[in-house]
Amino acid sequence: KAGVTQTPRYLIKTRGQQVTLSCSPISGHRSVSWYQQTPGQGLQFLFEYFSETQRNKGNFPGRFSGRQFSNSRSEMNVSTLELGDSALYLCASSLFGVAYEQYFGPGTRLTVT
Amino acid sequence: AQSVTQLDSQVPVFEEAPVELRCNYSSSVSVYLFWYVQYPNQGLQLLLKYLSGSTLVKGINGFEAEFNKSQTSFHLRKPSVHISDTAEYFCAVSDQETSGSRLTFGEGTQLTVNP
Repeated sequence: KAGVTQTPRYLIKTRGQQVTLSCSPISGHRSVSWYQQTPGQGLQFLFEYFSETQRNKGNFPGRFSGRQFSNSRSEMNVSTLELGDSALYLCASSLFGVAYEQYFGPGTRLTVT
Repeated sequence: AQSVTQLDSQVPVFEEAPVELRCNYSSSVSVYLFWYVQYPNQGLQLLLKYLSGSTLVKGINGFEAEFNKSQTSFHLRKPSVHISDTAEYFCAVSDQETSGSRLTFGEGTQLTVNP
């Protein structure tokens, strides 16, 4: 069974632009969560989608948004990029939307210049 | 709300030595506990998890952890490390009732195994 895939793996954007990251969960998994990893703030929860509905949201500004499609693939969007948005963005998928059976993808490395 | 504190940001050890990575947590509700490992330029891999039952949990790659409810700790141990164990290790919690798949992570511990 294929694991969680994230595209693209690396991305360079300019301040003020917007970006869309994609996450394809393990086949059959209905939950996708997103995390931001930075050297200063560590790993922080962004949001979780379960069966196309946002079920949980972390403490991030409204510039960060996401959605989930009927095939469970998820995208997250960051508008008006700031230098501080440079990070590794990780997604994780889960069959039943529980923490104890969650699998992480390799991440997308976003650099904002 | 939960919080996780990893007491050591860096742990250098020699190959074949034992190691302990320390993790304390704070929560007003019952939690699940996890240890993840991250190798450079990769995602997170689950090492082990505590859900309930025996407080000593065995994981992959020879790692084990012990849940101590009275001390709210979940320390990770390995009796003999290898060069290949060099990586960053994260302790994480999830509350058992409301947070879905949401994890709260500690700051991470960089384990460096020297020859």
